[in-house]
Amino acid sequence: DGGITQSPKYLFRKEGQNVTLSCEQNLNHDAMYWYRQDPGQGLRLIYYSQIVNDFQKGDIAEGYSVSREKKESFPLTVTSAQKNPTAFYLCASSPDRTGNQPQHFGDGTRLSIL
Amino acid sequence: AQKITQTQPGMFVQEKEAVTLDCTYDTSDPSYGLFWYKQPSSGEMIFLIYQGSYDQQNATEGRYSLNFQKARKSANLVISASQLGDSAMYFCAMRAFYLKVTFGTGTKLQVIP
Repeated sequence: DGGITQSPKYLFRKEGQNVTLSCEQNLNHDAMYWYRQDPGQGLRLIYYSQIVNDFQKGDIAEGYSVSREKKESFPLTVTSAQKNPTAFYLCASSPDRTGNQPQHFGDGTRLSIL
Repeated sequence: AQKITQTQPGMFVQEKEAVTLDCTYDTSDPSYGLFWYKQPSSGEMIFLIYQGSYDQQNATEGRYSLNFQKARKSANLVISASQLGDSAMYFCAMRAFYLKVTFGTGTKLQVIP
Protein backbone atom coordinates (compact mmCIF):
# COMPACT_ATOMS: atom_id res chain seq x y z
CA ASP A 1 0.00 0.00 0.00
CA GLY A 2 1.08 3.55 -0.63
CA GLY A 3 1.99 5.76 2.24
CA ILE A 4 4.60 7.74 4.10
CA THR A 5 7.33 6.01 6.05
CA GLN A 6 9.21 7.78 8.77
CA SER A 7 12.23 6.25 10.44
CA PRO A 8 13.35 5.68 13.05
CA LYS A 9 10.33 5.69 15.33
CA TYR A 10 12.49 6.70 18.30
CA LEU A 11 15.79 8.58 18.16
CA PHE A 12 18.19 9.78 20.81
CA ARG A 13 20.66 12.59 20.29
CA LYS A 14 23.76 13.41 22.23
CA GLU A 15 24.75 16.99 22.90
CA GLY A 16 26.49 18.56 19.91
CA GLN A 17 25.39 15.84 17.53
CA ASN A 18 23.52 16.17 14.26
CA VAL A 19 20.83 13.60 13.56
CA THR A 20 18.81 12.89 10.42
CA LEU A 21 15.18 11.84 10.33
CA SER A 22 14.06 9.93 7.27
CA CYS A 23 10.82 10.50 5.37
CA GLU A 24 9.93 8.47 2.28
CA GLN A 25 6.66 8.48 0.34
CA ASN A 26 5.46 6.27 -2.49
CA LEU A 27 2.31 8.27 -3.18
CA ASN A 28 3.89 10.23 -6.05
CA HIS A 29 3.08 13.45 -4.20
CA ASP A 30 4.70 16.72 -5.23
CA ALA A 31 4.66 18.56 -1.89
CA MET A 32 6.28 17.40 1.33
CA TYR A 33 6.40 18.94 4.80
CA TRP A 34 8.09 18.63 8.17
CA TYR A 35 6.35 19.58 11.42
CA ARG A 36 7.40 19.61 15.03
CA GLN A 37 4.90 18.83 17.79
CA ASP A 38 5.66 19.47 21.46
CA PRO A 39 3.61 17.69 24.15
CA GLY A 40 0.04 18.95 24.23
CA GLN A 41 0.76 21.44 21.48
CA GLY A 42 -0.10 21.95 17.85
CA LEU A 43 2.09 21.28 14.84
CA ARG A 44 4.65 23.88 13.88
CA LEU A 45 5.97 24.01 10.33
CA ILE A 46 9.73 23.55 9.98
CA TYR A 47 10.27 23.24 6.21
CA TYR A 48 8.25 22.41 3.14
CA SER A 49 9.01 21.52 -0.44
CA GLN A 50 6.89 21.91 -3.52
CA ILE A 51 9.14 20.15 -6.05
CA VAL A 52 12.48 18.40 -6.25
CA ASN A 53 15.52 20.57 -5.47
CA ASP A 54 13.36 23.30 -3.98
CA PHE A 55 12.24 23.95 -0.40
CA GLN A 56 11.11 26.83 1.80
CA LYS A 57 11.54 27.68 5.45
CA GLY A 58 8.53 27.34 7.67
CA ASP A 59 7.94 29.12 10.96
CA ILE A 60 10.67 27.43 13.02
CA ALA A 61 13.46 26.52 10.57
CA GLU A 62 16.40 27.61 12.76
CA GLY A 63 18.55 24.67 13.77
CA TYR A 64 17.13 22.40 11.07
CA SER A 65 18.09 21.59 7.48
CA VAL A 66 16.45 19.59 4.67
CA SER A 67 17.13 18.33 1.18
CA ARG A 68 14.86 17.23 -1.67
CA GLU A 69 17.02 15.39 -4.15
CA LYS A 70 14.32 12.89 -5.05
CA LYS A 71 10.56 13.31 -5.27
CA GLU A 72 9.91 10.51 -2.81
CA SER A 73 12.41 11.56 -0.12
CA PHE A 74 12.56 14.57 2.20
CA PRO A 75 15.05 13.98 5.06
CA LEU A 76 15.27 16.39 7.99
CA THR A 77 18.54 17.02 9.83
CA VAL A 78 18.35 18.33 13.37
CA THR A 79 21.63 20.14 13.87
CA SER A 80 23.52 20.88 17.08
CA ALA A 81 22.31 24.47 16.70
CA GLN A 82 18.82 23.30 17.69
CA LYS A 83 19.12 23.63 21.47
CA ASN A 84 15.79 22.07 22.39
CA PRO A 85 15.20 19.27 19.88
CA THR A 86 13.12 16.98 22.10
CA ALA A 87 9.78 16.67 20.31
CA PHE A 88 7.60 14.55 18.05
CA TYR A 89 8.40 15.10 14.37
CA LEU A 90 5.82 14.51 11.68
CA CYS A 91 6.41 14.32 7.94
CA ALA A 92 3.55 14.92 5.52
CA SER A 93 2.90 15.05 1.81
CA SER A 94 0.14 16.33 -0.42
CA PRO A 95 -0.69 15.25 -3.94
CA ASP A 96 -0.67 18.44 -5.95
CA ARG A 97 0.70 21.93 -6.07
CA THR A 98 -2.66 23.63 -5.65
CA GLY A 99 -2.84 22.65 -2.01
CA ASN A 100 -6.51 21.69 -2.15
CA GLN A 101 -5.85 18.10 -1.24
CA PRO A 102 -5.35 17.04 2.39
CA GLN A 103 -1.94 16.13 3.69
CA HIS A 104 -1.02 12.51 4.32
CA PHE A 105 1.08 12.00 7.44
CA GLY A 106 3.67 9.51 8.53
CA ASP A 107 3.61 7.89 11.97
CA GLY A 108 6.22 10.28 13.33
CA THR A 109 9.63 10.15 14.99
CA ARG A 110 10.12 10.88 18.69
CA LEU A 111 13.45 12.59 19.28
CA SER A 112 14.99 12.87 22.74
CA ILE A 113 18.20 14.31 24.15
CA LEU A 114 20.52 11.91 26.00
CA ALA B 1 1.65 36.08 7.46
CA GLN B 2 -0.98 33.55 8.37
CA LYS B 3 -2.39 32.52 11.70
CA ILE B 4 -4.77 29.89 13.02
CA THR B 5 -6.36 30.26 16.44
CA GLN B 6 -8.15 27.57 18.43
CA THR B 7 -9.30 29.06 21.72
CA GLN B 8 -10.67 25.92 23.39
CA PRO B 9 -7.86 23.85 24.92
CA GLY B 10 -10.35 21.22 26.05
CA MET B 11 -13.99 20.32 25.56
CA PHE B 12 -16.38 17.77 27.01
CA VAL B 13 -19.44 16.43 25.23
CA GLN B 14 -22.04 13.84 26.15
CA GLU B 15 -22.20 10.81 23.91
CA LYS B 16 -24.75 11.25 21.07
CA GLU B 17 -24.75 15.02 21.46
CA ALA B 18 -23.37 17.50 18.92
CA VAL B 19 -20.27 19.60 19.63
CA THR B 20 -18.70 22.62 17.93
CA LEU B 21 -14.95 23.17 17.92
CA ASP B 22 -13.90 26.75 17.19
CA CYS B 23 -11.29 27.91 14.71
CA THR B 24 -10.50 31.41 13.52
CA TYR B 25 -7.91 32.31 10.95
CA ASP B 26 -6.13 35.27 9.46
CA THR B 27 -4.37 35.57 6.13
CA SER B 28 -3.84 38.15 3.43
CA ASP B 29 -3.94 35.48 0.70
CA PRO B 30 -7.38 35.59 -1.01
CA SER B 31 -7.00 31.94 -2.03
CA TYR B 32 -6.71 29.60 0.92
CA GLY B 33 -7.95 26.28 2.19
CA LEU B 34 -9.02 25.17 5.63
CA PHE B 35 -8.62 21.65 6.99
CA TRP B 36 -9.56 19.78 10.12
CA TYR B 37 -7.56 16.81 11.39
CA LYS B 38 -8.08 14.40 14.27
CA GLN B 39 -5.16 13.08 16.30
CA PRO B 40 -5.94 10.14 18.62
CA SER B 41 -3.60 9.32 21.49
CA SER B 42 -1.68 7.01 19.13
CA GLY B 43 -0.33 10.11 17.37
CA GLU B 44 -1.53 9.54 13.81
CA MET B 45 -3.12 12.45 11.95
CA ILE B 46 -6.49 11.71 10.36
CA PHE B 47 -7.96 14.09 7.77
CA LEU B 48 -11.61 14.97 8.44
CA ILE B 49 -12.83 17.76 6.20
CA TYR B 50 -11.73 20.53 3.80
CA GLN B 51 -13.16 23.96 2.88
CA GLY B 52 -11.81 26.17 0.11
CA SER B 53 -12.01 29.94 0.39
CA TYR B 54 -14.09 30.18 -2.79
CA ASP B 55 -16.46 27.34 -1.92
CA GLN B 56 -20.00 28.63 -1.69
CA GLN B 57 -21.38 25.84 0.46
CA ASN B 58 -20.23 24.55 3.80
CA ALA B 59 -18.35 21.27 3.57
CA THR B 60 -19.84 18.10 5.05
CA GLU B 61 -18.37 14.63 5.48
CA GLY B 62 -20.61 12.19 7.28
CA ARG B 63 -20.96 13.33 10.89
CA TYR B 64 -18.55 16.22 10.32
CA SER B 65 -19.54 19.60 8.96
CA LEU B 66 -17.61 22.82 8.68
CA ASN B 67 -19.38 26.05 9.56
CA PHE B 68 -17.51 28.47 7.29
CA GLN B 69 -18.13 32.18 7.94
CA LYS B 70 -15.76 33.99 5.64
CA ALA B 71 -16.51 37.52 6.84
CA ARG B 72 -15.81 36.48 10.42
CA LYS B 73 -12.78 34.41 9.35
CA SER B 74 -14.05 31.40 11.21
CA ALA B 75 -14.16 27.73 10.25
CA ASN B 76 -15.74 25.82 13.09
CA LEU B 77 -16.01 22.04 13.06
CA VAL B 78 -19.33 20.52 14.05
CA ILE B 79 -19.42 16.88 15.07
CA SER B 80 -22.92 15.46 15.26
CA ALA B 81 -23.96 12.45 17.35
CA SER B 82 -20.66 12.20 19.23
CA GLN B 83 -19.19 8.76 19.80
CA LEU B 84 -16.67 7.55 22.36
CA GLY B 85 -14.18 7.07 19.54
CA ASP B 86 -14.31 10.79 18.81
CA SER B 87 -12.22 11.47 21.92
CA ALA B 88 -8.99 12.93 20.53
CA MET B 89 -7.12 16.12 19.75
CA TYR B 90 -8.58 18.13 16.88
CA PHE B 91 -6.52 20.51 14.81
CA CYS B 92 -7.59 23.24 12.44
CA ALA B 93 -5.12 24.02 9.64
CA MET B 94 -4.86 26.55 6.86
CA ARG B 95 -3.09 26.40 3.52
CA ALA B 96 -2.21 29.82 2.13
CA PHE B 97 0.54 31.45 0.08
CA TYR B 98 0.64 28.58 -2.35
CA LEU B 99 1.49 25.56 -0.21
CA LYS B 100 2.34 26.75 3.28
CA VAL B 101 0.13 24.84 5.72
CA THR B 102 0.00 25.97 9.34
CA PHE B 103 -1.87 24.42 12.26
CA GLY B 104 -3.66 25.70 15.33
CA THR B 105 -2.78 24.60 18.85
CA GLY B 106 -5.60 22.08 18.95
CA THR B 107 -8.63 21.22 21.08
CA LYS B 108 -8.77 18.11 23.20
CA LEU B 109 -12.24 16.61 22.96
CA GLN B 110 -13.46 14.12 25.51
CA VAL B 111 -16.72 12.26 24.95
CA ILE B 112 -18.51 11.23 28.12
CA PRO B 113 -20.64 8.05 28.17
